[in-house]
Amino acid sequence: GAVVSQHPSRVICKSGTSVKIECRSLDFQATTMFWYRQFPKQSLMLMATSNEGSKATYEQGVEKDKFLINHASLTLSTLTVTSAHPEDSSFYICSAGRAGRNRNGEQFFGPGTRLTVL
Amino acid sequence: AQSVAQPEDQVNVAEGNPLTVKCTYSVSGNPYLFWYVQYPNRGLQFLLKYITGDNLVKGSYGFEAEFNKSQTSFHLKKPSALVSDSALYFCAVRASRTDSNYQLIWGAGTKLIIKP
Repeated sequence: GAVVSQHPSRVICKSGTSVKIECRSLDFQATTMFWYRQFPKQSLMLMATSNEGSKATYEQGVEKDKFLINHASLTLSTLTVTSAHPEDSSFYICSAGRAGRNRNGEQFFGPGTRLTVL
Repeated sequence: AQSVAQPEDQVNVAEGNPLTVKCTYSVSGNPYLFWYVQYPNRGLQFLLKYITGDNLVKGSYGFEAEFNKSQTSFHLKKPSALVSDSALYFCAVRASRTDSNYQLIWGAGTKLIIKP
């Protein structure tokens, strides 16, 4: 149990286009989902936290108009990178916390999406 | 301020030898501690967690971690390393702020290299 999927696993796009990444909890309900960005050989950087049915909370320095997050259901959150630039190229990882059981902080991670902007 | 420190960027161990990956933390209140492992170009996999109870926590793939409150440490250990254990290891602690959505605070990661 507690499987999280991400789609696509890898995407290459042209500069100026938008890319949507989906994060799904396959066998549990996730009231909270987290979006991370990871640069090569570095730790995870939390971008935003999304709660089902409400606006996402963005970390300082993360542009909410550039990284649009939607958490429309208890099993799906999406991250849309708008007007992508080469510096947005990175590894994006989502995680989910179980509904009713998130108090201990345990998160279940998706496999990540490698975004390359040309 | 809440923080997690992994003092070693890289740990090299010979196969069959015991390994330790260090983690220390600073958090108000009772810590909820986690270890995750990341293989190249992949997401994170949960290894183990400490919430309460026994200080020695056993997890996946033969790993264990010891919670030491006085030293504010949560070092990851394995009695006999395998080459397949080579990966990036992250220590994390749950944020204490009630408005934090129980975010995790992450260490910088330690690259573990097991040599045959």
